[in-house]
Amino acid sequence: AQSVTQLGSHVSVSEGALVLLRCNYSSSVPPYLFWYVQYPNQGLQLLLKYTTGATLVKGINGFEAEFKKSETSFHLTKPSAHMSDAAEYFCAVGYYGGSQGNLIFGKGTKLSVKP
Amino acid sequence: DGGITQSPKYLFRKEGQNVTLSCEQNLNHDAMYWYRQDPGQGLRLIYYSQIVNDFQKGDIAEGYSVSREKKESFPLTVTSAQKNPTAFYLCASSISGQGGEQFFGPGTRLTVL
Repeated sequence: AQSVTQLGSHVSVSEGALVLLRCNYSSSVPPYLFWYVQYPNQGLQLLLKYTTGATLVKGINGFEAEFKKSETSFHLTKPSAHMSDAAEYFCAVGYYGGSQGNLIFGKGTKLSVKP
Repeated sequence: DGGITQSPKYLFRKEGQNVTLSCEQNLNHDAMYWYRQDPGQGLRLIYYSQIVNDFQKGDIAEGYSVSREKKESFPLTVTSAQKNPTAFYLCASSISGQGGEQFFGPGTRLTVL
């Protein structure tokens, strides 16, 4: 069965520091890959997505992620953290023609940003 | 503006009562989904529907029911059979059930008193 693993349920960085949130997936077919962000008591908002083409994907708010097929990874990065980045981040994988609602989510990583 | 609306934002229910959560979308999406979110457990799929008048159980369907009589609406009923219904419920939609991006509503927080 396909799965998504987010390493670290909590990550804390200082303002201005690099943000790195890790995501690995298990897959036997080419996936679609997504990062979502959730602020407290709100829905999920799409940060970025990979479907086909360029493996380095740029998203909103200065975030980017790189699809590495050989490592089955899709880590999320931002060069300089801002206080407003504090939120929970979810990695998700989808498959064309997949079942079970077609997206599988990781358990999330809560990002804290220290002043 | 196109989007997904969920109502109410906060809902309180007494034990033993059924309650229905509303989800409406005006994105003309075929597929709709209901997720339950608990702290530290991520999103768990309750039900999904890829077409009107058809829906499938997700991973945690017990104690829940849905209907899909209209393309734009996918209400979720939390029944008294659901043992621990207090949670944050999220509705989502996508163009089709083919692995693409899902768009989420703002959520409903259900508390059982």
